[in-house]
Amino acid sequence: DQQVKQNSPSLSVQEGRISILNCDYTNSMFDYFLWYKKYPAEGPTFLISISSIKDKNEDGRFTVFLNKSAKHLSLHIVPSQPGDSAVYFCAASGIGGSQGNLIFGKGTKLSVKP
Amino acid sequence: DAGVTQSPTHLIKTRGQQVTLRCSPISGHKSVSWYQQVLGQGPQFIFQYYEKEERGRGNFPDRFSARQFPNYSSELNVNALLLGDSALYLCASSLSGAGTGELFFGEGSRLTVL
Repeated sequence: DQQVKQNSPSLSVQEGRISILNCDYTNSMFDYFLWYKKYPAEGPTFLISISSIKDKNEDGRFTVFLNKSAKHLSLHIVPSQPGDSAVYFCAASGIGGSQGNLIFGKGTKLSVKP
Repeated sequence: DAGVTQSPTHLIKTRGQQVTLRCSPISGHKSVSWYQQVLGQGPQFIFQYYEKEERGRGNFPDRFSARQFPNYSSELNVNALLLGDSALYLCASSLSGAGTGELFFGEGSRLTVL
């Protein structure tokens, strides 16, 4: 029973174009969402987050959108660069207020082609 | 500044053996969380410790245990290893144990059970 779902295992995008990674969740008690990026042989690296009281957060080329009514969030990368090629994990927290307990999706492997 | 460090990076065990994994958090971080990531899945929460006390536990059997030391480093122990315990074990640290915020991950310990 997955509470955080990333239904696209992989995504291929041309350099310079937009990458859109999607994430759905089932638990309405989640109040904080994060995106992590993971390169092979490295640990996940924090990318961007959003609180449930907002619907958009932007940081440079990265923007996260949250649609609470649809229980859906998306990560937009514009413009995409070859160095963005990695596995992207969506994560959620809020149950019990524990900062250390994140619920992760299965990840989406992004390939940005030159 | 050193990030989260984990040891060993790779290890091979046989079924029924016991393993201890170690983690040193970022200096100043008092919370340590452990995650298990099996191939093709996102990280799954095992434990969180804050100020040497267990703050949360995921859905893992009692064969899994952990502790946190006065210097905030942590150990994860797994007894009676099963083939299904083969995974990447990730340690993450954060400043506090409550509220929201990002986790900082180490590179992980890759455990193979034969």
